[in-house]
Amino acid sequence: AQSVAQPEDQVNVAEGNPLTVKCTYSVSGNPYLFWYVQYPNRGLQFLLKYITGDNLVKGSYGFEAEFNKSQTSFHLKKPSALVSDSALYFCAVRDFTGRRALTFGSGTRLQVQP
Amino acid sequence: SAVISQKPSRDICQRGTSLTIQCQVDSQVTMMFWYRQQPGQSLTLIATANQGSEATYESGFVIDKFPISRPNLTFSTLTVSNMSPEDSSIYLCSATTMEGDGNEQFFGPGTRLTVL
Repeated sequence: AQSVAQPEDQVNVAEGNPLTVKCTYSVSGNPYLFWYVQYPNRGLQFLLKYITGDNLVKGSYGFEAEFNKSQTSFHLKKPSALVSDSALYFCAVRDFTGRRALTFGSGTRLQVQP
Repeated sequence: SAVISQKPSRDICQRGTSLTIQCQVDSQVTMMFWYRQQPGQSLTLIATANQGSEATYESGFVIDKFPISRPNLTFSTLTVSNMSPEDSSIYLCSATTMEGDGNEQFFGPGTRLTVL
């Protein structure tokens, strides 16, 4: 069975500094990996995905993620954090059965201080 | 992409009652899912809503407690039956619009349920 780990419950970063939100995965076969963001009282918004190809994936709002097969990681990054980036971030891996559902990590709360 | 709406956005219910949550997608989708997000926790898949047939439930979730319908490609309902305070959660509808293995899921805004 597949699984996703987000080792940090919370990440604090100053505005303008680079940010990294960590994610590692476990899956048999090739992984399909996703990042979502959840703002307070709102649903999940898709940020980016890795399916195949270039290990550096660019997504919405200036976010990017780097797929590292040897380390089974898919860390989310942004060169310069904004206060408005403060939210809950979820890493997810796609299920390889026919149902195509997502398995989510526990989530990491990003707090960007002005 | 797809825009997903849910009704109601929130509700406060009494123990022992049932609530039906509606999910509407603005385009035809191949698969629809229902997730639960308990307070301060991650998302857990409840079931896959299958058009015209019984939903496929995950371990720990049963049809009697969470009956699901999907009468067409753009609409689904989830009922939370005989509610208890432990059912207090956010319930999220999700859908994917295209065939293929790597397509992202889109999520509705969620229904925040509080059971007293």
